[in-house]
Amino acid sequence: DQQVKQNSPSLSVQEGRISILNCDYTNSMFDYFLWYKKYPAEGPTFLISISSIKDKNEDGRFTVFLNKSAKHLSLHIVPSQPGDSAVYFCAASAEYNFNKFYFGSGTKLNVKP
Amino acid sequence: GAGVSQTPSNKVTEKGKYVELRCDPISGHTALYWYRQSLGQGPEFLIYFQGTGAADDSGLPNDRFFAVRPEGSVSTLKIQRTERGDSAMYLCASSEGRDGELFFGEGSRLTVL
Repeated sequence: DQQVKQNSPSLSVQEGRISILNCDYTNSMFDYFLWYKKYPAEGPTFLISISSIKDKNEDGRFTVFLNKSAKHLSLHIVPSQPGDSAVYFCAASAEYNFNKFYFGSGTKLNVKP
Repeated sequence: GAGVSQTPSNKVTEKGKYVELRCDPISGHTALYWYRQSLGQGPEFLIYFQGTGAADDSGLPNDRFFAVRPEGSVSTLKIQRTERGDSAMYLCASSEGRDGELFFGEGSRLTVL
């Protein structure tokens, strides 16, 4: 039973344009969400997080939006750069079990020069 | 080193053999996690340590899997009587606490022939 879903396995975007990566979850108890980026042959690296008390968190070119009623979050990258090409995972955890993170299956982003 | 270190990076073994995978977390991180990632999937939680004790081992798939962290630093994931279905990337991560992101190692790729 996959509690965090990333329904788009891949996304291709032109350099300079916006990349939007989506993530849906089913557990209404999730209250902390993270995005990770993974390059080939490397472990995932933390990108940005958001807690359920917010609906937006911004860090440079990266913004995460959270829609609790829809159980949906998205990661916006603007402007996209070729170095952003990687697999992006969203992850979620709940306060009652905060050290157990559930990951989506990832979206492979390709930013074309 | 500064990051999470995992050894071996690659392990090929035969069905039925015993395997140990090692994780050296970031110095000072009290929390340590093991995740497993199969091809095309996101990381799947196995076990979480806080200090020396396994605070949550609910993700271990069966009793062939066991993990230890005897001195609260290095951890070893042990798999007995390996099966072909155990083939995956085994990721270790450490963190300072709940709102600190997980820092992942590069993983140990296990192949069971």
